[in-house]
Amino acid sequence: GDSVTQMEGPVTLSEEAFLTINCTYTATGYPSLFWYVQYPGEGLQLLLKATKADDKGSNKGFEATYRKETTSFHLEKGSVQVSDSAVYFCALSGRNAGNMLTFGGGTRLMVKP
Amino acid sequence: KAGVTQTPRYLIKTRGQQVTLSCSPISGHRSVSWYQQTPGQGLQFLFEYFSETQRNKGNFPGRFSGRQFSNSRSEMNVSTLELGDSALYLCASSPGQGKGYTFGSGTRLTVV
Repeated sequence: GDSVTQMEGPVTLSEEAFLTINCTYTATGYPSLFWYVQYPGEGLQLLLKATKADDKGSNKGFEATYRKETTSFHLEKGSVQVSDSAVYFCALSGRNAGNMLTFGGGTRLMVKP
Repeated sequence: KAGVTQTPRYLIKTRGQQVTLSCSPISGHRSVSWYQQTPGQGLQFLFEYFSETQRNKGNFPGRFSGRQFSNSRSEMNVSTLELGDSALYLCASSPGQGKGYTFGSGTRLTVV
């Protein structure tokens, strides 16, 4: 079945540091890929998405590129802020799975001033 | 534009009881899904509804059920609660396949 693997956290960075959170997936065909963010006590917010190979999703300074050849969708940000501290989830929606999302385990990011 | 609304935000129930959680999707969204989030298992898919029909179901026991009404609002029910059912239950709505979901803030269920 479909699966998503993302790097375990926590990831601790200083403000203005470069962020990379790795995400790789296994799926049949060409899934849609997503990054969600969860702040404490809240639900998930869609951060960005990509629906086909080589697509780049971007939002709020975050970027991720759909790499079919490496089945990856790594999240990057050039300069993190304290307000970026949250848990980040990589997810996919397989073509044969209706609209169901399969999530990775989540990566907690802590940004220190 | 209102987001996905889940009620109640918090619930405390006793083992053996049953519970009903409610979700109002974004206006115009006909697909509603439910997920369970726990520290041990992470985010797990419960079920998806589209136009009042269950389109997909996760690997949960039959104690977990749901339904969707004609106005796209959805409810999920858990009967004979167990301690392990303590979790954050997230509802999400979507405008269509592959377009991603908008999540509600969740209902935190504690079973004692």
